[in-house]
Amino acid sequence: RKEVEQDPGPFNVPEGATVAFNCTYSNSASQSFFWYRQDCRKEPKLLMSVYSSGNEDGRFTAQLNRASQYISLLIRDSKLSDSATYLCVVLRPLSYNTDKLIFGTGTRLQVFP
Amino acid sequence: DAGVIQSPRHEVTEMGQEVTLRCKPISGHNSLFWYRQTMMRGLELLIYFNNNVPIDDSGMPEDRFSAKMPNASFSTLKIQPSEPRDSAVYFCASSLAANQPQHFGDGTRLSIL
Repeated sequence: RKEVEQDPGPFNVPEGATVAFNCTYSNSASQSFFWYRQDCRKEPKLLMSVYSSGNEDGRFTAQLNRASQYISLLIRDSKLSDSATYLCVVLRPLSYNTDKLIFGTGTRLQVFP
Repeated sequence: DAGVIQSPRHEVTEMGQEVTLRCKPISGHNSLFWYRQTMMRGLELLIYFNNNVPIDDSGMPEDRFSAKMPNASFSTLKIQPSEPRDSAVYFCASSLAANQPQHFGDGTRLSIL
C-alpha cells in the first residue's frame, strides 16, 4: 500500500461545477499537508497548504481529517484553467530532526465547456 | 527573483553514456531535492540535501545514480552508465527548510535510447 494514495481520475466536470478530491495517508505521524498543481508537461507548483482547521483560498477549500487520515480539496465554480493534475503532499518525520515530503501520484481534473 | 534553474531542459543520449543533470536552487534555500517522474510511478524523491549534506538517499535507484552538492548554489545528479529505463523527467526543487513548501525547476526531459 502506498503511503499517500489518491484516485488518479480523470475527473471530467463541466465549467461551473463543484468537484472534490480526497487523499489518504497511512503514517499517523504525518505533520504537514499540501496540495500542489501540475499542468501537463510542467513542473508541480504549490497550490495551498492544508491547516488543521481547514482553509480557503478563493474557490479552493482544503480540509484535514486527522482521525481518518485524509485531506481533501474542494474546487467551486470550476474553470477551464483548473484542468490539471492535483498532487497531495504529506510531510512526515524521517528521523528525530529531519522530515520527508511524500507526493501522491495525483488526481487528474479535466474541465470541459 | 530567479527560480530553480535546471539544465539541460532536454537530453537524448544512447544507453551506456554518462548523463549529468544540473541544478541551481533559489538563493537562500537550505534544502534541495531531486525527483524523477514517470507516468507509471509518478513523482519519486531520489535524494535530498540539507545545507549541502545528503540527508535521505533511500530513493536513489542503484549505484548508477549519484548526486552531489559541492556548495549552496549548485547540485548535480549523475547517471553512469545510463539505461533506457532511466528515461523520465527529472525535477530539482528547493525550499527554505525540508518541511517548507518546495519550488520546482522546469525539469530535464531525459531520453535514453
